[in-house]
Amino acid sequence: NAGVTQTPKFRVLKTGQSMTLLCAQDMNHEYMYWYRQDPGMGLRLIHYSVGEGTTAKGEVPDGYNVSRLKKQNFLLGLESAAPSQTSVYFCASSLTALGVRTSSIQYFGAGTRLSVL
Amino acid sequence: AQKVTQAQTEISVVEKEDVTLDCVYETRDTTYYLFWYKQPPSGELVFLIRRNSFDEQNEISGRYSWNFQKSTSSFNFTITASQVVDSAVYFCALSDPISNFGNEKLTFGTGTRLTIIP
Repeated sequence: NAGVTQTPKFRVLKTGQSMTLLCAQDMNHEYMYWYRQDPGMGLRLIHYSVGEGTTAKGEVPDGYNVSRLKKQNFLLGLESAAPSQTSVYFCASSLTALGVRTSSIQYFGAGTRLSVL
Repeated sequence: AQKVTQAQTEISVVEKEDVTLDCVYETRDTTYYLFWYKQPPSGELVFLIRRNSFDEQNEISGRYSWNFQKSTSSFNFTITASQVVDSAVYFCALSDPISNFGNEKLTFGTGTRLTIIP
């Protein structure tokens, strides 16, 4: 009963270092998302994917890259970390939407707390 | 642009009191969905409810109830007889289509931190 699993849970980076956050889901969901959560700002979408091999930009994509080589995994990369990327990162997944304006529930992982010094 | 406002930043109530968390939204869509998520101290986001814009019936689930009023663009959440386990940050969110594939992102409010005092 894993659902959405994010690794690592915590990480501290120095400015300029790189890292990859891994998101894995076992619900056979087509859609996957990366959000960041900052104090007083709610969650904001970084990138998303509508299926294996596809990715697209969200509202705050700068400084991040993503890949979806396997349906169950969605990777978020920081090539050169900056202090502004200190945040809590959440991955989510959802089933394929059934129609143009139906809505699938997004299920979230437990988050990754990242500090960039 | 889509917007969700949760004006209450923090609320504290004594255990067993009722508490209502407010959510006001803005959208130009005629069909949309509203959500509530709970973020307990452990940090994960837990889905609570999804409502669509054409169903204005209130919903009750145990001690939780939701009041959706399209006329005032509000989707408020009430906890009856609060318990310490209800202490968490609660987020209201609005669906926001982002592609022609039918999927969407969620536009979140800034959250309300609820503390239940034993």
